[in-house]
Amino acid sequence: GAVVSQHPSRVICKSGTSVKIECRSLDFQATTMFWYRQFPKQSLMLMATSNEGSKATYEQGVEKDKFLINHASLTLSTLTVTSAHPEDSSFYICSARTSGGGGETQYFGPGTRLLVL
Amino acid sequence: GNSVTQMEGPVTLSEEAFLTINCTYTATGYPSLFWYVQYPGEGLQLLLKATKADDKGSNKGFEATYRKETTSFHLEKGSVQVSDSAVYFCALAGGTSYGKLTFGQGTILTVHP
Repeated sequence: GAVVSQHPSRVICKSGTSVKIECRSLDFQATTMFWYRQFPKQSLMLMATSNEGSKATYEQGVEKDKFLINHASLTLSTLTVTSAHPEDSSFYICSARTSGGGGETQYFGPGTRLLVL
Repeated sequence: GNSVTQMEGPVTLSEEAFLTINCTYTATGYPSLFWYVQYPGEGLQLLLKATKADDKGSNKGFEATYRKETTSFHLEKGSVQVSDSAVYFCALAGGTSYGKLTFGQGTILTVHP
């Protein structure tokens, strides 16, 4: 149980285009989903916290107009990188938190590698 | 605020060697502690967790004990395998940032045959 999927797993796009990444909890309802960014050989940096049906809460220094987050249902959150530039190239990872027992446990998706040319 | 400090890597071991990766934390209140593992090209997987002082989390031969007196959560395994090669992250949730995970910097482990 507690499986989280991400799509796509890898995407290459041209500078200036927008890219949407989906995060789904497959076998549980996730009231809260988190989006992280990971640079090579570094730890995860929390970008934003997404609660179903409400606006995402962004961490300091993260541009909310550039990284649009939508959490429309209890099983789906999307991250859209708008007008992507090469410096946005990174590994983006989502996680979902169960709403029941053990609620502090987050389950992570496999990640999406974005390369902006 | 919360913070997690991990032993710097990389750590290189021979198969069947004993593994310790140190982790210490700073938090107010009573956080939950976690170890996550990331295999090459993949996302993070929960390895084990402990939610209160003196709890021992264990999974796949790995163990870590929540030590409140030393604010530590060291990861150990008695005999590592090549398949254990990965990046290991210590993390905490709770304290002043309920629900958000604070990660350590990660420790790269390479196990040679």
